[in-house]
Amino acid sequence: GAVVSQHPSWVICKSGTSVKIECRSLDFQATTMFWYRQFPKQSLMLMATSNEGSKATYEQGVEKDKFLINHASLTLSTLTVTSAHPEDSSFYICSATKNRLSQETQYFGPGTRLLVL
Amino acid sequence: KQEVTQIPAALSVPEGENLVLNCSFTDSAIYNLQWFRQDPGKGLTSLLLIQSSQREQTSGRLNASLDKSSGRSTLYIAASQPGDSATYLCAVPNQAGTALIFGKGTTLSVSS
Repeated sequence: GAVVSQHPSWVICKSGTSVKIECRSLDFQATTMFWYRQFPKQSLMLMATSNEGSKATYEQGVEKDKFLINHASLTLSTLTVTSAHPEDSSFYICSATKNRLSQETQYFGPGTRLLVL
Repeated sequence: KQEVTQIPAALSVPEGENLVLNCSFTDSAIYNLQWFRQDPGKGLTSLLLIQSSQREQTSGRLNASLDKSSGRSTLYIAASQPGDSATYLCAVPNQAGTALIFGKGTTLSVSS
């Protein structure tokens, strides 16, 4: 199989603090990881694509200085929401692929629900 | 820009009914189309992936069809069960083929 985990599954924080979310591929090496965000009753929206060892590529409208992505190893990518505000409250889901080839199967993590008070 | 639309947004049926979920996409130049299941507050489970050269895929009580020329896909669920209650998402790759573009989903509720 291809299992992707996320930690934490749930986080509540105060406005202005930073929150780090981890995405791990447990039984395979993930050269590419994706970060999606899902607001209530909305579709998943791609935030950024990260390849191991290189800078992430952010989608239009996503602030790279606010959502810091690090993909330092083949099994771990982290998303840090800096100076979180209530409007950042959302469901964050990562996915991973085994290769950098296009049309690769993506394996999704279980998601992290962030609530900013 | 590719857009994915799912109809209906919500659906409630009694147990045992056969049902169809619809997905449409604006750019027919897709490599594949994928159907996912999402349980409340959970991640995604891949159900079926149809390659652009295929017309349909089947897995158990699920059958997904793809009509690229008309930009449509349907997910057929036979003999629905309460355990099928979830949100069903369809997704197609973006133009670069590097990430997925999702519809908003159809939330299905099957009552016993």
